[in-house]
Amino acid sequence: DIQMTQSPSSLSASVGDRVTITCRASQSISSYLNWYQQQPGKAPKLLIYAASSLQSWVPSRFSGSGSGTDFTLTISSLQPEDFGTYYCQQSYSTPLSSFGQGTKLEIK
Amino acid sequence: QVTLKESGPALVKPTQTLTLTCTFSGFSLSTSGMRVSWIRQPPGKALEWLAQTDWDDDKFYSTSLKTRLTISKDTSKNQVVLTMTNMDPVDTATYYCARTIAVADYNWFDPWGQGTLVTVSS
Repeated sequence: DIQMTQSPSSLSASVGDRVTITCRASQSISSYLNWYQQQPGKAPKLLIYAASSLQSWVPSRFSGSGSGTDFTLTISSLQPEDFGTYYCQQSYSTPLSSFGQGTKLEIK
Repeated sequence: QVTLKESGPALVKPTQTLTLTCTFSGFSLSTSGMRVSWIRQPPGKALEWLAQTDWDDDKFYSTSLKTRLTISKDTSKNQVVLTMTNMDPVDTATYYCARTIAVADYNWFDPWGQGTLVTVSS
């Protein structure tokens, strides 16, 4: 099975900060990587698919990059509504996909 | 607009079988390329993919749970059912269903249902 590891597990940042979350796969997954945002008590929502393609509702301050084993999710200027937990998911071995352990983002 | 909603018991006893239903609208599982997955999330923990059913009746299961899981669909009712046998307190989680989108070789889950919390306790 492909293991996905996110870092950091949690972070606290201020409005306007640039935030980067990293996701590493245990083997090469090309660009078969998706990102989800989950706010407290809510279901996850798709943010980015195929490593760098933004879902239609996602503001342009979000971006995704990477291929192979290392991927990043970047928020260029953090906004108050960006709090929540972010998960990466590999779809290389689809349908047997797997998720990272999550990164909890708090606003200072 | 695509929506999904999970339903089932909030509480099950250890060793019992859990049956969850995902009722969806806005698409048909008889349409080529359509898929629905089940994913769960223990309280405060990460997401875990469980199972997927496809428009052509292909079924796929988590390697670690496949002996306990069965997924089925009823296209006339727009429903997908997941059963999990021999429930244990570690299976306490919020269970989500989600449409699985496939474009070329890429797949992702969108949208998700609101989730249903299942507690396993005697």
